[in-house]
Amino acid sequence: GAVVSQHPSWVICKSGTSVKIECRSLDFQATTMFWYRQFPKQSLMLMATSNEGSKATYEQGVEKDKFLINHASLTLSTLTVTSAHPEDSSFYICSALVAGGIYEQYFGPGTRLTVT
Amino acid sequence: GQQLNQSPQSMFIQEGEDVSMNCTSSSIFNTWLWYKQDPGEGPVLLIALYKAGELTSNGRLTAQFGITRKDSFLNISASIPSDVGIYFCAGLSGSSNTGKLIFGQGTTLQVKP
Repeated sequence: GAVVSQHPSWVICKSGTSVKIECRSLDFQATTMFWYRQFPKQSLMLMATSNEGSKATYEQGVEKDKFLINHASLTLSTLTVTSAHPEDSSFYICSALVAGGIYEQYFGPGTRLTVT
Repeated sequence: GQQLNQSPQSMFIQEGEDVSMNCTSSSIFNTWLWYKQDPGEGPVLLIALYKAGELTSNGRLTAQFGITRKDSFLNISASIPSDVGIYFCAGLSGSSNTGKLIFGQGTTLQVKP
């Protein structure tokens, strides 16, 4: 149980275009999901907290107009990188909190974004 | 802000050896989680700890929630090649059950067959 999927697993896009990444909790409901960014050989950097039915909470320094987050249902959150630039190339990972009960945060497999 | 100091940064050990890594903080945490990340993959939850002093095992892995609530350690016994990866500790502070985690810098483990 507690499986989180991400789609796509990797994407290459041209500079100036937008890319949408989906994060789904497959076998549990998640009122809260998180989006992270990870650079090579570094720890995870939290970008934003996504709550179902409400606006996302962004970490300091993360541009909310550039990284659009929508938590449309209890099992789906999406991250859209708008007007992507090469410096947005990174490994993006989502995670989901199991609703209710003890604290358990499960991660998706990640999405490798390359902007050319 | 809150920080977690994870050590060691990297380890290179012989297959069969035991491994120990830890995380410390100047702040109190209410939950500690340990993850393992393979290259190109998302982190996988290994062990979750919810009470000070709690000692929990998952196969060859054992983790403990420090009494002071400011530290945690992870032990791996009889290491095998598939233990290779990056191990992260993560702490949750505050009383909210939907809060964000603070991550350590990671411990890179390499196992020599």
